[in-house]
Amino acid sequence: GQNIDQPTEMTATEGAIVQINCTYQTSGFNGLFWYQQHAGEAPTFLSYNVLDGLEEKGRFSSFLSRSKGYSYLLLKELQMKDSASYLCAVRDGSGGFKTIFGAGTRLFVKA
Amino acid sequence: ETGVTQTPRHLVMGMTNKKSLKCEQHLGHNAMYWYKQSAKKPLELMFVYSLEERVENNSVPSRFSPECPNSSHLFLHLHTLQPEDSALYLCASSKGRGFNEKLFFGSGTQLSVL
Repeated sequence: GQNIDQPTEMTATEGAIVQINCTYQTSGFNGLFWYQQHAGEAPTFLSYNVLDGLEEKGRFSSFLSRSKGYSYLLLKELQMKDSASYLCAVRDGSGGFKTIFGAGTRLFVKA
Repeated sequence: ETGVTQTPRHLVMGMTNKKSLKCEQHLGHNAMYWYKQSAKKPLELMFVYSLEERVENNSVPSRFSPECPNSSHLFLHLHTLQPEDSALYLCASSKGRGFNEKLFFGSGTQLSVL
C-alpha cells in the first residue's frame, strides 16, 4: 500500500526552530513535495526534493533520505505567520499525474 | 492570488440537489485536478485532466461528474450526494506531467451536504 505519515500537530515558540518529519512508503518514487496551507486558504508550494540531501531556501529547508523513506521540513526563526498546516506529498512511480499526500501537520507558533 | 479561482467558496446542499463547482486557471497550464480534503485526512485525488482529456479517475462514485471544456476551465457536477461527501474540494493545475511539476491550488469550495 501507499502511506505517508507525519505528526498531526506540533507547537513551537516564536523565534525557535522546528522540524516536521515525514515518512513514506510508496510504489515508486519521483520526488517529495512540501506544501503550506493556512486555514481557509489554498495550499502553496514550499519545496521539492528528488535527490538525497538538504535543500535550503531562506528560513525553510527540506531534507530527503530515499533509502530511509524519510524527509523533514525545517523552519528557522519561527514567526507567528508560520502557524499553518504543512503537507508532505510524494510523486509516485506510476508515470502519471499521481501525487500522494499525507494528512498534514498543524503547526502552532506561540509568542 | 494563486492564479486558480474556485467558485463558490461555500455550498450547502440537500441530498437531492444538483449543483456544480467551477474552477478557472489563469496560468496557461495544461493539467487540472480535483482533490477532496476531509478533516484530518490526506488530500484524495479524484480526477485529472491533461489537455482536456481525463487521464486519472480514482474510483470516485458516479454522483461526482467532472467536465473540462477547455484547458482553463474545470467543473465538478454534483448530484444525489451523501452527508459523508461534505468536505473541502480543491482544484489545482500544473504546467504538465513532469515529475517536479508543482501544483497550484485554488482556495477550495467548502461543501456541506445535509
